[in-house]
Amino acid sequence: DSGVTQTPKHLITATGQRVTLRCSPRSGDLSVYWYQQSLDQGLQFLIQYYNGEERAKGNILERFSAQQFPDLHSELNLSSLELGDSALYFCASSVGSAFSTDTQYFGPGTRLTVL
Amino acid sequence: SQQGEEDPQALSIQEGENATMNCSYKTSINNLQWYRQNSGRGLVHLILIRSNEREKHSGRLRVTLDTSKKSSSLLITASRAADTASYFCAAFSNTGNQFYFGTGTSLTVIP
Repeated sequence: DSGVTQTPKHLITATGQRVTLRCSPRSGDLSVYWYQQSLDQGLQFLIQYYNGEERAKGNILERFSAQQFPDLHSELNLSSLELGDSALYFCASSVGSAFSTDTQYFGPGTRLTVL
Repeated sequence: SQQGEEDPQALSIQEGENATMNCSYKTSINNLQWYRQNSGRGLVHLILIRSNEREKHSGRLRVTLDTSKKSSSLLITASRAADTASYFCAAFSNTGNQFYFGTGTSLTVIP
């Protein structure tokens, strides 16, 4: 158990809908990262927040947005969902802001299925 | 798009044997990291090797890095059934704050 929690575990929704995925980092970690893992695209980095501020941005679509709250939990909002958004969404956390060198601890993931 | 490629895509060995996985990447890197992922679960960080390092050890793991060939290898010695998982390399680009993950090698260790 990494100490990172994600809810919900599974989510099934329809195209065009909007969903929110939630992540709670390990105690003491200030950075939260979001990743998408799909069969055709593999694992892709989406975005990093550090202490409430956006720190690094990856291949995140404009239909997706994220935020980190004062209590350091983070939410990933996915809107106008398409079939291709079906994937496992992972959250990870680390102590510092150094994306390249900090060890990231991954949560169990949220499996999103868009029908 | 993927910037790292793992080879082989799948590997099946007997317990006790060594497993070698290779990773190639396309960008200039700051460091390269290896992760393990058990089926349907999150990634577990294994080891980080910096661009100025050539080899690093951690327990039964040995990682090499050849920046001239833009490649890295992960060796797991004396494999165990519990090592069965997918292994990913992640190349951290020094041009832009991004990780690029490889496609993964699926390792099966047969007891």
